[in-house]
Formats: sequence, structure tokens, C-alpha cells
Amino acid sequence: AQKITQTQPGMFVQEKEAVTLDCTYDTSDQSYGLFWYKQPSSGEMIFLIYQGSYDEQNATEGRYSLNFQKARKSANLVISASQLGDSAMYFCAMREGIQGAQKLVFGQGTRLTINP
Amino acid sequence: NAGVTQTPKFQVLKTGQSMTLQCAQDMNHNSMYWYRQDPGMGLRLIYYSASEGTTDKGEVPNGYNVSRLNKREFSLRLESAAPSQTSVYFCASSGVKFGNTEAFFGQGTRLTVV
Repeated sequence: AQKITQTQPGMFVQEKEAVTLDCTYDTSDQSYGLFWYKQPSSGEMIFLIYQGSYDEQNATEGRYSLNFQKARKSANLVISASQLGDSAMYFCAMREGIQGAQKLVFGQGTRLTINP
Repeated sequence: NAGVTQTPKFQVLKTGQSMTLQCAQDMNHNSMYWYRQDPGMGLRLIYYSASEGTTDKGEVPNGYNVSRLNKREFSLRLESAAPSQTSVYFCASSGVKFGNTEAFFGQGTRLTVV
């Protein structure tokens, strides 16, 4: 069963607009963590933001915020005031498992293109 | 502070050859991971290690072996390379620093098996 689902293969957004990238997850664990990564065309994986399942506040990091809706099992990434440099693949990932044996699994990704 | 360092960056192997991909992290993280990424695809977990001396299979472990040599190092070995193992390989480590959970990746190894 797919653990992490990113339903948007591609997104096109005008520069300066806000964009929301969707991520839903499936787990029966009470303790888990959710990550977002950016992969530009150069290929490196850049860590953007993390949300723990027990965190009461939505995580924020500069222009990135994570819209965490636990009951709906969704962890959408919001990028405010998009820039041309935001064009990249974006991956959602979940870490689950008991302490000391935690997997980190990824969704299929969303390709974001920012138009000038 | 180098983060996660992978070697080599590029490698071409002939079918049947063996090689070891090296990974080291200097962030004192407990967990380490190996992934492969095929063109246009997400990352698939090959093996992971929750701590020194322990390793577990991920989604696609066949054809690979790993060693968690110490807390810093986690190597991936291809015993008899096959063209289907042509991919980009990423190592990652994860832990808690100053109360914040983080997970960082190496630069990747582009492997071609001919």
C-alpha cells in the first residue's frame, strides 16, 4: 500500500503567487514525522521542513509552511510568494516505526514550475 | 561541517562487477539510509540502519548488502552489478539536533552498469 501519496505530478504557478503542494500519508503509528524536500535540476536533495505527529503548531521555515491536518492525514507544503528559483521537484516523506527502527519513505514527487 | 559525504560521485561498472558506495556523516545522527532514484521517479529505500550495528531491509533490497561500520559510516555494496541497478544512489542520515528533527542527504552517486 502506498504510504505517501502526492497526487499532483506537475504544477504551474505564476511568480509571486502562493502555491500548495499536496501530500497525504497512511500510517497506524501514533508517533511519526513528515518531511518535505526540494530537488532542483542539479539533483541534490534539499531538506525544507519537518513536522512531528505530536507537534501542535504547524511547522514554518521562512517562506515554507506545512499545513498539517492530522485527522485527514495530510501534510501539504505551502510556499508563499513563489520565486523562479522554486522551480524543482518536491518530495514529501514520512518517518514511521518504533523508536530505533524508523524507516523514511518518500512519495513520487511533484514537479513545480514557476512562470515569470 | 561537511554533513553527509558520498563517494564516488560517478561510476561506470560492467555487468557482474562489484563495488562499494561509501557514505559518512558528521552530524552524530543515529539513523542512516540508502536510496535509489530512477529517472522521473521518487526515492526507493534500499536499506536503513537505526543505529550502529543494526541494519534493516527497505523496499528494494535485492542485489545489495550494507554495513554500518560505526556511527558515522554506512556503506552499500553491489556484489554482482546488473544493468537494472543503473540509478542514482543517495545516502541520508537523520537525527535530532537542538531539539529539532532533521534528515540530510549526500550529493548522490550516479551509477551506470553496462
